[in-house]
Amino acid sequence: SAVISQKPSRDICQRGTSLTIQCQVDSQVTMMFWYRQQPGQSLTLIATANQGSEATYESGFVIDKFPISRPNLTFSTLTVSNMSPEDSSIYLCSGAGGEVSYGYTFGSGTRLTVV
Amino acid sequence: DAKTTQPPSMDCAEGRAANLPCNHSTISGNEYVYWYRQIHSQGPQYIIHGLKNNETNEMASLIITEDRKSSTLILPHATLRDTAVYYCIVEGGYQKVTFGTGTKLQVIP
Repeated sequence: SAVISQKPSRDICQRGTSLTIQCQVDSQVTMMFWYRQQPGQSLTLIATANQGSEATYESGFVIDKFPISRPNLTFSTLTVSNMSPEDSSIYLCSGAGGEVSYGYTFGSGTRLTVV
Repeated sequence: DAKTTQPPSMDCAEGRAANLPCNHSTISGNEYVYWYRQIHSQGPQYIIHGLKNNETNEMASLIITEDRKSSTLILPHATLRDTAVYYCIVEGGYQKVTFGTGTKLQVIP
């Protein structure tokens, strides 16, 4: 099955700055998604990353805060903009379809702390 | 909203079978049942999936009721390394997935 490399694995950032998280898949996937997981909570879907077009955001998430790119079928980025301490979370990407023959494969996550 | 409900937590003695239930009463005919687990905030790991037949692989067994409204994940001989949060989801065709709260399984020595 496909393997997703996600980086950085963790970061500590100053409030008001931005961080870009990258996910590289070792094979082509049809769909890519970005999730947020706050401490002790389940995964919350942020958006679907669409190849070559604007991402589709879930309720409560907006492009200005979480711009997403997906230039091809193996790569996507999520930027957390103008960060505040409330953005401290684990951010995860996942891929499905294409050479992921069933289910979803996930990156190892980015643990973000905003101070 | 998540399409599945699971008990928030369960304990299991090491070496015994862990049976994790999941209700998915609104599952559609083309939706599969998938199970994942997440160990210590790593990315979720695929375990097993099924449509209507029972399935078994090297990690676990999946029992799906005949009406498909519920299922049970069975870890036949739980070890301490199986301590994790287990998520049951339903999905049909690589669409976006909503995760429920999952079951926190604690394997006890």
